[in-house]
Amino acid sequence: QKEVEQNSGPLSVPEGAIASLNCTYSDRGSQSFFWYRQYSGKSPELIMFIYSNGDKEDGRFTAQLNKASQYVSLLIRDSQPSDSATYLCAVTDGGYQKVTFGTGTKLQVIP
Amino acid sequence: DAGVIQSPRHEVTEMGQEVTLRCKPISGHDYLFWYRQTMMRGLELLIYFNNNVPIDDSGMPEDRFSAKMPNASFSTLKIQPSEPRDSAVYFCASSPLGTEGADTQYFGPGTRLTVL
Repeated sequence: QKEVEQNSGPLSVPEGAIASLNCTYSDRGSQSFFWYRQYSGKSPELIMFIYSNGDKEDGRFTAQLNKASQYVSLLIRDSQPSDSATYLCAVTDGGYQKVTFGTGTKLQVIP
Repeated sequence: DAGVIQSPRHEVTEMGQEVTLRCKPISGHDYLFWYRQTMMRGLELLIYFNNNVPIDDSGMPEDRFSAKMPNASFSTLKIQPSEPRDSAVYFCASSPLGTEGADTQYFGPGTRLTVL
């Protein structure tokens, strides 16, 4: 049984701070890693994907992957109240194998 | 592009009734996924299709659940008979073939199912 673990939160950060969201996974064969954002009552939407060890930056978002530690994280710089949502970590074997989602971390950005 | 379309958006039914959820994927996407989301269990993959063929249905909770994809533009998820524990939000997602990032999934708005 493949597992993806996330702290459910809520994680509260002040506006303008850096929010750090973490995810661990159990399957060493995992190849593709995704971060989705889900606002309350809405569907998940992709923020970032990462395939290789290291950092990947996109605007205020940075994804970090460490396959040796089976750890993936998402950093949100200059956090805004509009970033308040649940962030889902997702992992696949690569290609189109079964996707496993974590249960999500709820982020609250305090104005 | 209209995105993934799901219907109905809300469904309230009584225990024992048949429920059919519908999904139209994004045109040109070869993969279609059905998920169920609850507070307790999060987002669970139920089944996914590639080119209309079911690839993995190991997430389907029991025989009361069935899914079909008769063509590239339509899929159904049926629950018969429904039970109160089936109450959840059901999402359909589709995904294209291709290079980096192509296994990104695009989610529909979901169907909120309540079984009384």
